[in-house]
Parts: sequence; structure tokens; C-alpha cells
Amino acid sequence: SSELTQDPAVSVALGQTVTITCQGDSLRSFYASWYQQRPGQAPLLVIYGKNNRPSGIPDRFSGSRSGDTASLTITGTQAEDEADYHCNSRDSGGNHVLFGGGTKLTVL
Amino acid sequence: QVQLRESGPGLVKPSGTLSLICGVTGDSISSSNWWSWVRQPPGKGLEWIGEIYHTGGTHYNPSLKSRVTMSVDKSNNQFSLKMSSVTVADTAVYFCARGEVGSAQLDYWGQGTLVTVSS
Repeated sequence: SSELTQDPAVSVALGQTVTITCQGDSLRSFYASWYQQRPGQAPLLVIYGKNNRPSGIPDRFSGSRSGDTASLTITGTQAEDEADYHCNSRDSGGNHVLFGGGTKLTVL
Repeated sequence: QVQLRESGPGLVKPSGTLSLICGVTGDSISSSNWWSWVRQPPGKGLEWIGEIYHTGGTHYNPSLKSRVTMSVDKSNNQFSLKMSSVTVADTAVYFCARGEVGSAQLDYWGQGTLVTVSS
């Protein structure tokens, strides 16, 4: 597959839980990685592999996968979590990298 | 601490060649990682351009493959991107990043550099 699909925008109330999804055939073979991107900044890796967080990423961020859909869940969303979130994975052949279109998260 | 920094002209003329370099500190370009380029047009999402291994092996985005060349400079611990026949559609912030072999995770990114294609 050559596509990863994300919802363009999602909103969540402060302190609540939100799930952002990423769908694509390649996710049946490869885990998604998730990136947070604030305006004017480079993307920041927040989740990779089955459900791994790089050092310094709060444990309110978690990841999961079911079939062809990967999910990023933020539990107890904070105001500073308002950002764009991008998923990526290898393509089904493994030789290329795909990105989803990104999801803009608004914290109300 | 691994750091990457992009450098190169911020303005390129249509039909010209875009050339960028990514300098790496805190890691060796000969480590077991892919070294990647990603771009982001203004107000849009991320687009993977390609990746290179220290042996010179490359993978390119099929939609850009005919115009892209990547190379590694081990003596200066850096890698580079050349994109030919650019158009206004190539105007974007260009990021370099370090990638994990066998996955798509990009764990360290440069701050990005804006390249504008305009006459």
C-alpha cells in the first residue's frame, strides 16, 4: 500500500482522553511511529514500535495497533499537547517510508 | 546528544537544482542508521523524500526518484540532497533526520530549512 490515512482534525477537552488514528495496509506488517509537531518546530518522535516512548516523552502518550489501524492515545490531555500529529511506517515492501496527512489536535 | 543541522541556499530558481547538506554531530554517519530527508510544503503535511545508508545504499520516494540524488560524506560526517528541475511545488521546509533500520521511526531531526523556488 502507498497510503496512510489520518483524520485532518480532532478536538478534546482539557484533561480528557483522545485517540488519533492512522489507517493503511502497511500497518499490518510494520508498526507506526508517531510525531508531535508544534508550529514552527521540527517533528518530535513520541511513540515508536509496539508502544515505546523515547526518553522525556510523558507516559500519557501511548500507542496501539489493530489490523490495519494504528492509534495514538493521549490520556489526561494537557494544553501543551495541542499540535499536529503525524504517523509514518515503512510501506508494504519495506523499502520506502510513508507519512499520513497529519491530524491537527485542538485542546478545548 | 545527537544533533542534525541543514544548510544550503534558501532560494532556488525554477528548473534549477536544490542542494542541501545535513551535518551530524553526536553520532557517526557510519553508524547503523538510515539518514533521511523529509519535506513539508507551507501549511501541508510531511513528505518523505528518501534515505541513505553509510554504504551509499539509497531508497527514494517513487514520485521524486527521477529528480533526487543523495550522497554521504564520511570525512565531514554529513550527507546531502540534490533535487533537479525544481518547480514552485518544491517550495517547502526541508528536514534531515536519523532513521532506525527496519522501521520508519525518525528519532532525531534537524530544525529544518525553508527552500523557496522562485525567479
